[in-house]
Amino acid sequence: DAGVIQSPRHEVTEMGQEVTLRCKPISGHDYLFWYRQTMMRGLELLIYFNNNVPIDDSGMPEDRFSAKMPNASFSTLKIQPSEPRDSAVYFCASSSHRTGDYEQYFGPGTRLTVT
Amino acid sequence: GEDVEQSLFLSVREGDSSVINCTYTDSSSTYLYWYKQEPGAGLQLLTYIFSNMDMKQDQRLTVLLNKKDKHLSLRIADTQTGDSAIYFCAESYAGNNRKLIWGLGTSLAVNP
Repeated sequence: DAGVIQSPRHEVTEMGQEVTLRCKPISGHDYLFWYRQTMMRGLELLIYFNNNVPIDDSGMPEDRFSAKMPNASFSTLKIQPSEPRDSAVYFCASSSHRTGDYEQYFGPGTRLTVT
Repeated sequence: GEDVEQSLFLSVREGDSSVINCTYTDSSSTYLYWYKQEPGAGLQLLTYIFSNMDMKQDQRLTVLLNKKDKHLSLRIADTQTGDSAIYFCAESYAGNNRKLIWGLGTSLAVNP
């Protein structure tokens, strides 16, 4: 398997623009997580899905952030409008309930810079 | 609230043992994890321990769990330059093994 795939790997945008981050989980995994990593706050869970349904979005910072999972093989995290404080590395991770373990498999991340 | 704390930096000589420490607050956590993050990459699970265990050994890695003190440690024997990375401690939320609480990570520098 190719692992968790994220795109783009790097994104530079201007304040106020819409940003869409994409994630393809590992085939067969039924959990998908979106994280944000910054030096100051470390790794923060934004939202996670089970079988394409959002289970916990309590970590989503504000209404500018939205996440969708239209099918088992694709998820997006959208920021509209973006702000400089959104600059961070955004990770997607997936895991499988069926294997009985709870390991989360991380993608390589998207480094977002908002100027 | 729940919290996981780690020291931010550790520097060791190649060949020495490294010990990375972590304290957590949720005594009802079922699993405790160590993840590794290499530069420019995502996190990768190194090892985990069930809360009813005291110790787990896996090749060069030894995990010790002190539930009374809510202290978790990761020992890397014969540390190599390839072990230079950030190491994250994480605990599962009580009643939800899917949701993890993460420490800020310990940056391990291995000097030749």
